[in-house]
Amino acid sequence: EPEVTQTPSHQVTQMGQEVILRCVPISNHLYFYWYRQILGQKVEFLVSFYNNEISEKSEIFDDQFSVERPDGSNFTLKIRSTKLEDSAMYFCASSELYPPGGGQPQHFGDGTRLSIL
Amino acid sequence: AQKVTQAQTEISVVEKEDVTLDCVYETRDTTYYLFWYKQPPSGELVFLIRRNSFDEQNEISGRYSWNFQKSTSSFNFTITASQVVDSAVYFCALSESNTDKLIFGTGTRLQVFP
Repeated sequence: EPEVTQTPSHQVTQMGQEVILRCVPISNHLYFYWYRQILGQKVEFLVSFYNNEISEKSEIFDDQFSVERPDGSNFTLKIRSTKLEDSAMYFCASSELYPPGGGQPQHFGDGTRLSIL
Repeated sequence: AQKVTQAQTEISVVEKEDVTLDCVYETRDTTYYLFWYKQPPSGELVFLIRRNSFDEQNEISGRYSWNFQKSTSSFNFTITASQVVDSAVYFCALSESNTDKLIFGTGTRLQVFP
């Protein structure tokens, strides 16, 4: 069964450094997402991406964050200058395009655990 | 405002017991979608089911069943004859018609003991 893959599985970074998290969505999917889960808490939406632009973003997704689809397969999340509170599990997800109204199941990767020291 | 409430933080059962995980949602939208995801100890999020607001039929898939009741804004999940492999955190989530983002509840940790 096709799956979303994320690399690395664990990233340790010094505070203030830039970090790039990588994702390969399911090949025929057209919507891409990033979510994060601070340890022991609920999963929170960060951003959705469609047709090479941000479709929607949350208040968490400030100027320190950016997303990119640099080629036909990868989808990346960049955090420019990491803070201690960025430590979390980051999940990438993808879904198929569907007629207006949304509600497509989002299929998640295994996550990247980001630890900021 | 959209919100998902999973009041049960943690449930412990012994294998073969039935268990129901509660989910209550809030939305002003008339068209919306409800989901359940499983997060096993390994950490990934596994999609289990999607329901749209116009389909109140209950669904059964093997040992899993879901009860959607619009009158009480609930979308409860029952595991029949639980097994140790069912031990995980289960998240209920909501998405509205004008957005694709999922709004997750805080999750219910289910522990099934042998």
